[in-house]
Amino acid sequence: EVQLVQSGAEVKKPGEFLKISCKDSGHSFTNYWIGWVRQMPGKGLEWMGIIYPGDSDTRYSPSFQGQVTISADKSISTAYLQWSSLKASDTAMYYCARLQALGGERYFDYWGQGTLVTVSS
Amino acid sequence: SYELTQPPSVSVSPGQTARITCSGDALPKQYAYWYQQKPGQAPVMVIYKDSERPSGIPERFSGSSSGTTVTLTISGVQAEDEADYYCQSADSSGTYVFGTGTKVTVL
Repeated sequence: EVQLVQSGAEVKKPGEFLKISCKDSGHSFTNYWIGWVRQMPGKGLEWMGIIYPGDSDTRYSPSFQGQVTISADKSISTAYLQWSSLKASDTAMYYCARLQALGGERYFDYWGQGTLVTVSS
Repeated sequence: SYELTQPPSVSVSPGQTARITCSGDALPKQYAYWYQQKPGQAPVMVIYKDSERPSGIPERFSGSSSGTTVTLTISGVQAEDEADYYCQSADSSGTYVFGTGTKVTVL
């Protein structure tokens, strides 16, 4: 069974570096795209980007290009989302999710439990 | 950028029917998907490919599509259906987008 387990909640200060993780406990990590989704407090879901761990091909939403970095280490079935310099506006819940892309289908079928990131001075 | 527009809220009495719309220019060419999100939980898909229901999702959830609008219908709404609902699709360039979200309140 596919299970995406995310790293724990983080409390950081503006300007700090942060890297959160998403580990796939299944056996198909390199065969699927993994996406990241932001949910700011009381707001909706926003697609940030996706990565194909098999070859690290990465695509970003224009809204997040240059703001975050998505990476993966296929040897440990883990995807990452990182910020080089956090801002208060990065405070949000972040979800990783597996992208099912077959034929014309494009949807997120398995989700992590979410990582809450709080940025405050 | 590509957008999917939903009504902010829908209120319905138990046992009645809730309909949530999602509008977007690319919907005639791309499938739509629906997710349910309860407070403090990750989203769960309730409809895929416009109208297909994943295993384990109650039959009262259904989806339909017409032109640039897709609709999620919850027939015989139950108290446990109170949640936020999001549509999702993709455009031809490989960009993914979620709808603005609809809060369903069971009166």
